[in-house]
Formats: sequence, C-alpha cells, structure tokens
Amino acid sequence: SQQGEEDPQALSIQEGENATMNCSYKTSINNLQWYRQNSGRGLVHLILIRSNEREKHSGRLRVTLDTSKKSSSLLITASRAADTASYFCATDDGNAGNMLTFGGGTRLMVKP
Amino acid sequence: DTGVSQNPRHKITKRGQNVTFRCDPISEHNRLYWYRQTLGQGPEFLTYFQNEAQLEKSRLLSDRFSAERPKGSFSTLEIQRTEQGDSAMYLCASSTYETYQETQYFGPGTRLLVL
Repeated sequence: SQQGEEDPQALSIQEGENATMNCSYKTSINNLQWYRQNSGRGLVHLILIRSNEREKHSGRLRVTLDTSKKSSSLLITASRAADTASYFCATDDGNAGNMLTFGGGTRLMVKP
Repeated sequence: DTGVSQNPRHKITKRGQNVTFRCDPISEHNRLYWYRQTLGQGPEFLTYFQNEAQLEKSRLLSDRFSAERPKGSFSTLEIQRTEQGDSAMYLCASSTYETYQETQYFGPGTRLLVL
C-alpha cells in the first residue's frame, strides 16, 4: 500500500518557472525523502529531511516538512527542461529495516 | 564505485516460466532492498537483507517470489510460474544502515514483460 499522496499528479510549466510538489503521508516517520525518476529509468535520490527538521535546501531544491500536518513540499526553482521527470516522496517509518513507502508521484514537464 | 547494477535490464518471458534477476549493490553497503514498480505508480517494497540475512519477507507478493543474498554481496530475486500481472519494473536499492537518515541508492531496474 502507498503511504504518500503527491499533489498534483501532473504539472506542466515553462522553463525558468518554479515548480512546487506536495506530499501527504499517514503515519509517524523517521525521515522523508524525495526521488526523481526519468522515464523508464531508476530513481535518483534528491534530498532527505529528518522528522526533527523543518526545511532543507540543496542547490535549486527546497524541501519543507510539517510533521503536525503530515505533509512535505518540494520546490524546484528556476526549472530547466532537464528537470522533466517524475518526482516521488518516500517515507521511512523505521519498519522493516528502513523500507521506504512511496507515493504515486508527480509527473513534471518543463517546456523549453 | 559504479553504483547499483541490475541484470538483465529487460526480460520478456512467457506465462508460466521462471525468471531470475540479479542485483549488485554498492560494495560497502550492508543493506539491500527489492521493490516493484508498476506503470504510473510509485515503487512498492518487497523485501530486504542486512548482510546475508533476509530480515523482512512478509511483503513478497506471493510464495512464487523469493530472494537470496548468499554471501552478503549480490542478491537474486526469482519469480516462479510467472503471470501476466507480474509485468513490472523490479528495482534494487542498497544502503549503509544509519539510524533515522538512511539513504537508499537505486539501480536502473529490470523491466519484466510476461506474455
């Protein structure tokens, strides 16, 4: 079963614009991670935010976490055509080792 | 360090046949995970190993699925008597255990098509 729900399911923007994706989850977590997946390829780890952190930055990425609302957001600033991909949030609740529970993903298209 | 590798990258088989996939993790990683991803969905956890011990296998989809990691290095995932519903991408990930902040590194996946 999937824990997270991403919103929106699909997003289309112009190059240079910002893209915001949201993720909601159901149980308490150790951390939340965001991954990118290009069509038909493996997942690339983007950023991990721990449950006691509220915001984290990495290059053009900004992630926020609100554990009271069980939600997270991923902001990609100054988007590029190469950012076109599916983005998944995944939660680690400490069960089964550190298995990840993924949401359904947001499909981002950045038009040049 | 060349990352996580998986073989084969693609597999087409007929219903009822057995298939085996291999995953080679990042060399110093002691944890190895298997996930399945169907079209348009996020990955779904199947099983994981810490070194050679399989510590969680209750989420394997049926008793037709089995996994091994005999020497704590590479792992294999076998599906017996394949069904069309087994068609999916099978992803492997590896990590070094760190409490509360374990990052999993994924391989490119094996795409299975059952005819």
